[in-house]
Amino acid sequence: QVQLQESGPGLVKASETLSLTCTVSGDSMTTYYWNWMRQPPGKGLEWIGYIYYSGNTKYNPSLKSRVIMSVDTSKNQFSLKLSSVTAADAAMYYCARESGESKGLDYWGQGTLVTVSS
Amino acid sequence: EIVLTQSPGTLSLSPGERATLSCRASQSVNTNYLAWYQHKPGQAPRLLIYGASTRATGIPGRFSGSGSGTDFSLTIGRLEPEDFAVYHCQQYGTSPYTFGQGTKLEIK
Repeated sequence: QVQLQESGPGLVKASETLSLTCTVSGDSMTTYYWNWMRQPPGKGLEWIGYIYYSGNTKYNPSLKSRVIMSVDTSKNQFSLKLSSVTAADAAMYYCARESGESKGLDYWGQGTLVTVSS
Repeated sequence: EIVLTQSPGTLSLSPGERATLSCRASQSVNTNYLAWYQHKPGQAPRLLIYGASTRATGIPGRFSGSGSGTDFSLTIGRLEPEDFAVYHCQQYGTSPYTFGQGTKLEIK
């Protein structure tokens, strides 16, 4: 059974960098796209971007200037860094797997809550 | 970017009833790459439907998706107690991927 688990600090200071890691178990990371989403309280889901297992990335233009994603297939992990955070970045952050066959996001993590302090 | 509008925001029904959720796109969804997810509090979202109408692995037959272009719907044939949750639609045919704001399906 494929499982994804987000981890990282639950509290980040404004203007600093949010760093999260998603650990994948139950399958190899190869041939998949690894996505990050977030959901601010009371709002809908927002796609942040994805990283292919080979390292190619695609980011949401709204966040592109502040986002860096990386992948370490030897550790079965991929990561998100979001710089210069503000209160607007407070949200539940989710990681998810996408196959290369256009079949949606088939496995998700349970999410991790990030709060931004002033 | 493609804006997805889900309706209704909240749907109140009883177990055994039929539920129909709508997802409308601001422009045509490329190749009908439209997915539906079920999300319960504290749990990982669960993929129900991809490609607008294909059930994901292990999804019961009471869940069905339909539509094309800009208008899509998710139908739950006969509601079971475990179906009450928030449902999100997502288009993944055009970057940036986008989601609707969600429909909460609650017990009446």
